[in-house]
Amino acid sequence: KNEVEQSPQNLTAQEGEFITINCSYSVGISALHWLQQHPGGGIVSLFMLSSGKKKHGRLIATINIQEKHSSLHITASHPRDSAVYICAAGGGSNYKLTFGKGTLLTVNP
Amino acid sequence: GAGVSQTPSNKVTEKGKYVELRCDPISGHTALYWYRQSLGQGPEFLIYFQGTGAADDSGLPNDRFFAVRPEGSVSTLKIQRTERGDSAVYLCASSQSGSNTGELFFGEGSRLTVL
Repeated sequence: KNEVEQSPQNLTAQEGEFITINCSYSVGISALHWLQQHPGGGIVSLFMLSSGKKKHGRLIATINIQEKHSSLHITASHPRDSAVYICAAGGGSNYKLTFGKGTLLTVNP
Repeated sequence: GAGVSQTPSNKVTEKGKYVELRCDPISGHTALYWYRQSLGQGPEFLIYFQGTGAADDSGLPNDRFFAVRPEGSVSTLKIQRTERGDSAVYLCASSQSGSNTGELFFGEGSRLTVL
């Protein structure tokens, strides 16, 4: 059983819709990462957070440490947001991240 | 270069052959990580270097896999006697330090196909 679970696995939206991707983890963490991976491309780090909320442009990430849950929100979604979004939990004294399987987001024009 | 560079971007080899994958991290980043991503899965941790030493190699699947970072910058992941199950994208990442406060920077990955 993966220690980091994401939902949904696949998500299709219309341009302009508000998107939420969820991540639950069972391991103890000191940092939670949200990453973006385009088809055939490398991974880009979107957020690293250990508490509260962070915002960058149309993207917002929140984390609830007590509930071991994080969400990634995309406001006013756009077709260029189409990608796989991966949640990864980092714990301990090094970066031995445990990754979720990812959420494939498709935003249609 | 400004980012993490991985070569080759694609490698096709035959079962039983030896393969080397190279990662050139961002200059000055002391921490370097290798991950493996199989089709439809999230990346899995392989090994973590802090400087020249492997601080944690617990993710290496077996003794056919080995990685080095002799001068604390470029790292090479070596796979001996490749098997079809080794086919995956091998991702490298670096960060300024190995603490949990530094941002991770990923390369584009090396896609390995073992026929």
